[in-house]
Amino acid sequence: DQQVKQNSPSLSVQEGRISILNCDYTNSMFDYFLWYKKYPAEGPTFLISISSIKDKNEDGRFTVFLNKSAKHLSLHIVPSQPGDSAVYFCAARVTGGGNKLTFGTGTQLKVEL
Amino acid sequence: DTGVSQDPRHKITKRGQNVTFRCDPISEHNRLYWYRQTLGQGPEFLTYFQNEAQLEKSRLLSDRFSAERPKGSFSTLEIQRTEQGDSAMYLCASSLQTGGFNEQYFGPGTRLTVT
Repeated sequence: DQQVKQNSPSLSVQEGRISILNCDYTNSMFDYFLWYKKYPAEGPTFLISISSIKDKNEDGRFTVFLNKSAKHLSLHIVPSQPGDSAVYFCAARVTGGGNKLTFGTGTQLKVEL
Repeated sequence: DTGVSQDPRHKITKRGQNVTFRCDPISEHNRLYWYRQTLGQGPEFLTYFQNEAQLEKSRLLSDRFSAERPKGSFSTLEIQRTEQGDSAMYLCASSLQTGGFNEQYFGPGTRLTVT
């Protein structure tokens, strides 16, 4: 059962525009949500996180929004840059679960010039 | 701080052979995690250690898999009698668990190909 879902396998955006990556989850016990970025031949790199008690967290060009009632979160990147081209994974943690993460399948973002 | 390192980066083996991977976490990190990623999927949790104690194993970790973290430093993941279905990227991550949420830092992974 896929508890964290990223339904868009790919997204293409023009440089300078906003990128919006979406993620849905089914497990109500998730209390922390994270976004990781992955370049080819590298491990995932932590990008930004949000606690379930918040609905927004911002860090520079990156903002994560959480809608608990809809079990949905999104990552906004603005403005998008060519260096943002990577695979983005949504991940979630269960309270008391040893901090192990459940990942989505990823969205390949391509930022075009 | 050199980050999380993994060795080897690539391993090709024949079905039925045993393989062992090594992970060196960030030096002060007390938690170490192993994940497996197959094509088109996100990383899936396999097991984790708090210092030298293995605290949880996923049901994905069959009896052919064993992980150790002697002395709470580096960790090894061994797969015995490899099968083609074991072909995947094996990722190691570490974190400093101080209470609450602590982000995990991932290594570059070991890509295993079983022929």
